[in-house]
Amino acid sequence: DAGVIQSPRHEVTEMGQEVTLRCKPISGHDYLFWYRQTMMRGLELLIYFNNNVPIDDSGMPEDRFSAKMPNASFSTLKIQPSEPRDSAVYFCASRSPGTGNYGYTFGSGTRLTVV
Amino acid sequence: AQTVTQSQPEMSVQEAETVTLSCTYDTSESNYYLFWYKQPPSRQMILVIRQEAYKQQNATENRFSVNFQKAAKSFSLKISDSQLGDTAMYFCASPSGAGSYQLTFGKGTKLSVIP
Repeated sequence: DAGVIQSPRHEVTEMGQEVTLRCKPISGHDYLFWYRQTMMRGLELLIYFNNNVPIDDSGMPEDRFSAKMPNASFSTLKIQPSEPRDSAVYFCASRSPGTGNYGYTFGSGTRLTVV
Repeated sequence: AQTVTQSQPEMSVQEAETVTLSCTYDTSESNYYLFWYKQPPSRQMILVIRQEAYKQQNATENRFSVNFQKAAKSFSLKISDSQLGDTAMYFCASPSGAGSYQLTFGKGTKLSVIP
């Protein structure tokens, strides 16, 4: 298995532009999580899905952020319009079915820089 | 809100020595797993070790072991025979939310192994 795949690895964009981050979870994993990592706030959970359905989006900072999971093998996190304070590393993670005893498998993250 | 506290922002250890990283957590779950993740400069989040709260025996994975004190909600990581490749950020994680599907992460401890 190739693991959790995120793209792009790096993204630099100008303030006001739309940004789309992509994630392919591990096949068979039924939970998918989006986290944001910054120096100040650490790892923050933004949203998570179960069987493609959004379960909790209370961590999404603003309406500028949206996430979708149209099928079991693909998810996107979109920021529109982007702002400099959105600069961070965004991680996608997935988890196998069951009680969560195997933890998450993380993707390699997308480093977003908004200038 | 569930919290995870890592009280040591930075630590250093001589190569081949032993170091212990501290973590305290707060969860309302009755049966749960705890995790330590490693994040090297490559930024990949790597699962190091996990502990089931119902097991009294502390988990061990090669040079990594935990000291789990359930009543105190303490979950420390011990690294024996430290190697240069152990240099990384280390994050403790505990469940948050109903059903333990979400993980809350501590702010991390930056470990430097000195040759």
